[in-house]
Amino acid sequence: GAVVSQHPSRVICKSGTSVKIECRSLDFQATTMFWYRQFPKQSLMLMATSNEGSKATYEQGVEKDKFLINHASLTLSTLTVTSAHPEDSSFYICSAGQGFDEQYFGPGTRLTVT
Amino acid sequence: QKEVEQNSGPLSVPEGAIASLNCTYSDRGSQSFFWYRQYSGKSPELIMFIYSNGDKEDGRFTAQLNKASQYVSLLIRDSQPSDSATYLCAVGGVTGGGNKLTFGTGTQLKVEL
Repeated sequence: GAVVSQHPSRVICKSGTSVKIECRSLDFQATTMFWYRQFPKQSLMLMATSNEGSKATYEQGVEKDKFLINHASLTLSTLTVTSAHPEDSSFYICSAGQGFDEQYFGPGTRLTVT
Repeated sequence: QKEVEQNSGPLSVPEGAIASLNCTYSDRGSQSFFWYRQYSGKSPELIMFIYSNGDKEDGRFTAQLNKASQYVSLLIRDSQPSDSATYLCAVGGVTGGGNKLTFGTGTQLKVEL
């Protein structure tokens, strides 16, 4: 149980374009999903908390107009990186909440902006 | 002071030995404690969680929680080369944090043949 998928696993895009990443909880309903970013050899950085049917809560320093989050159902949250630039290249990982604070992570999406 | 602290390592142990990973946290109101394993280039995988003081065992893994001293540890018995990874400690129920988890920076474990 507690399987979370992410799509795509890898994406290369040109500077200035937008990229959408999907996160799905496959075998449970997740009221809350989380989006993280991780640069090489660094720790996880929480970007935002996504609650089904409401606006996402962004962490300090994360631009909400650049990283658009939609949590339209209990099994799907999406992150759209708008007008991507090379500095947005990173490993983006979602997680879905279950039980008492448990989070189960998706496999991650490696974004490269050229 | 960081909210969740871990020694970055690397912690090197020989195959078959016990690996002991430690984590301290600053918020006394923390309610839930997690250990994640992250292989290089992969996402974190939940391996243990503990909510109450004491020990919790699952196979080769034992999580230990001491709320009075504000530390949580993970013991890995009979360490295998496949256990080589970065282990992330995460704390939930932090005051004002909602249902977010606060992660440590991780301890790199190397199990040597």
